[in-house]
Amino acid sequence: GAGVSQSPSNKVTEKGKDVELRCDPISGHTALYWYRQRLGQGLEFLIYFQGNSAPDKSGLPSDRFSAERTGESVSTLTIQRTQQEDSAVYLCASSLLGRGTEAFFGQGTRLTVV
Amino acid sequence: KQEVTQIPAALSVPEGENLVLNCSFTDSAIYNLQWFRQDPGKGLTSLLLIQSSQREQTSGRLNASLDKSSGRSTLYIAASQPGDSATYLCAVITAGNMLTFGGGTRLMVKP
Repeated sequence: GAGVSQSPSNKVTEKGKDVELRCDPISGHTALYWYRQRLGQGLEFLIYFQGNSAPDKSGLPSDRFSAERTGESVSTLTIQRTQQEDSAVYLCASSLLGRGTEAFFGQGTRLTVV
Repeated sequence: KQEVTQIPAALSVPEGENLVLNCSFTDSAIYNLQWFRQDPGKGLTSLLLIQSSQREQTSGRLNASLDKSSGRSTLYIAASQPGDSATYLCAVITAGNMLTFGGGTRLMVKP
């Protein structure tokens, strides 16, 4: 596709419900990143998929968070039993897998837990 | 652990001024450095990517420099315009293509 696509763009959910966020990377990009950005804050790394290697999950804040990626395509970030502190914009980025290649971001999913 | 700092955190200038945004990083073992722009409520737009072997990169009114040995990068914006108002983020790319971001500089250009 032309760019990184994320859906939904906005999601309002009740506390305790599970949510799934989707990221479609740029075609051919084997590296995919998820970040979280709370209101007025910087970007917080969550997880990184790097081709066929094991993903780097070191940024996931709790076991309520998980992410999957099918091959070199779509990734889903799942948050179970959502809490109000999970409210944030969730950003996805993709890049070619190489030495320091340029990363491109989607428009993000704004998650509000009420 | 790599840490990235951006100074100033916020900046307000009148239209037409030339300005410099600063980015510093603690570990000089980087592959590249990337500058982004973020408009309110939006994702990040890539502005410039500087390879570790480069000293600077230019795009239009933007010029980014990199001094890897001292752990510094600057983003120079010439003849600023109100449309340049946004948050500017730098990110260093290290081993394994990890992106580490600074906290950003919020820029306001007043007409």
